[in-house]
Order: sequence, then C-alpha cells, then structure tokens
Amino acid sequence: EVQLVESGGGLVQPGGSLRLSCAASGFTFSSYSMNWVRQAPGKGLEWVSYISSSSSTIYYADSVKGRFTISRDNAKNSLYLQMNSLRDEDTAVYYCARTFPGEVGDYFDYWGQGTLVTVSS
Amino acid sequence: DIQMTQSPSSLSASVGDRVTITCRASQSISSYLNWYQQKPGKAPKLLIYAASSLQSGVPSRFSGSGSGTDFTLTISSLQPEDFATYYCQQSYSTLGAFGGGTKVEIK
Repeated sequence: EVQLVESGGGLVQPGGSLRLSCAASGFTFSSYSMNWVRQAPGKGLEWVSYISSSSSTIYYADSVKGRFTISRDNAKNSLYLQMNSLRDEDTAVYYCARTFPGEVGDYFDYWGQGTLVTVSS
Repeated sequence: DIQMTQSPSSLSASVGDRVTITCRASQSISSYLNWYQQKPGKAPKLLIYAASSLQSGVPSRFSGSGSGTDFTLTISSLQPEDFATYYCQQSYSTLGAFGGGTKVEIK
C-alpha cells in the first residue's frame, strides 16, 4: 500500500525557518517525481515545488522561489521542503504528492495527509 | 503561466441531480487536464486524468470531457458522499496550476 506521511509542521515566527519531511513507503520511491502542494486555510490548492526522481530537475512556484528548497533522499525514501524567510501568507497545510507519469500528462495519484504550518508572531 | 478558471465557485444540488462543473484554461492544453475531489480535512483524491480517463476505483457516475481550453466534470447522479470541493489541474506545463475549486453543497 502506497503511503506518504508528512511531518515537521508547526508554529513559527515570521522570518523563521522550518523543514518539512515526507516519508514514503509501499512503492519504489526512487522511480517517481514528487511534489509539494499547499492549501491556506479556507483556500484552494497551490502547487509549490517539484523534484524529479534523480533530483536533476527542480521547479518552484514564483511565490516561494528563493525562499524554499526541495530535496530528496532516495536511500531514506524521503522528500523534504526547507522553508526559510517564512511569511504570514505561507500559513497552510502542506501536502506531498506523488507524480504519476501518464501517457497524456502527469497527475498526482497519491497524497499524504498533510502537515500544518502556521506563521505568526 | 497557464491560468485555470473554474465555474461556478459553488453550487447547491440534491441527491440524484446531474451536476456539471466547468474548467477553462488560459491557453490550449490539449487533453492535459486532471480533476480532484477534496473533502473537508482530507487530502485531495484523483478522479479523472487526461481529461476523460477515470482513475481506478472511482465510481462511473463521474466523467470528464473536453480538450483545448474548455473542460467539464460531470456527476451523473449526485450521491451523499459526493458533497465536496472539486479542483481541475493542468498538466501541460510542469507548473501544474490548479483551478480555484468548485464546492458542491447540499440543497
């Protein structure tokens, strides 16, 4: 059974840092690209970052570029999101999601349960 | 960047109703369009990929159609467990933008 379990969320002051983790199991983690997607309270979904299976390709949303860093450790079946210079507007539930490489575009076929990040003084 | 616009943003419907949700892309994305369902406090769940392909395990009352810039998610006969928020997502570019969501509420 595919499982994605996020951790590392919590309360942090504006300007602070936090590192999120996503532990994967039930599939060959090193074969799949992964993503972080967030959802602010009462708002819609926002794609945050993408990392390819070998870490050779990485993308960020403009809203987090230069502040967030995505990484992975295939030996540990883990995905990470280092978040620096946090702002109030980064408050959200953060989900990790697996990319499935479809014949007509990719899609997110498995999601974690999410971890809440609250940025507040 | 490709922008995705959903309509309506919310709707009220009764059990048994046929429900249609629309998603429009700011440029042609061929059939590179996915649909997700999200219930309160839960992670999103994939329903439809490649505009019209039903994800394994998803009931057949869900269907998707469209190509280019205009897409539709249809629920043929709304069930109590279908009350949720639905999101479209383009997969044409790597920056997989989501639509703003459509909340389906009980009438």
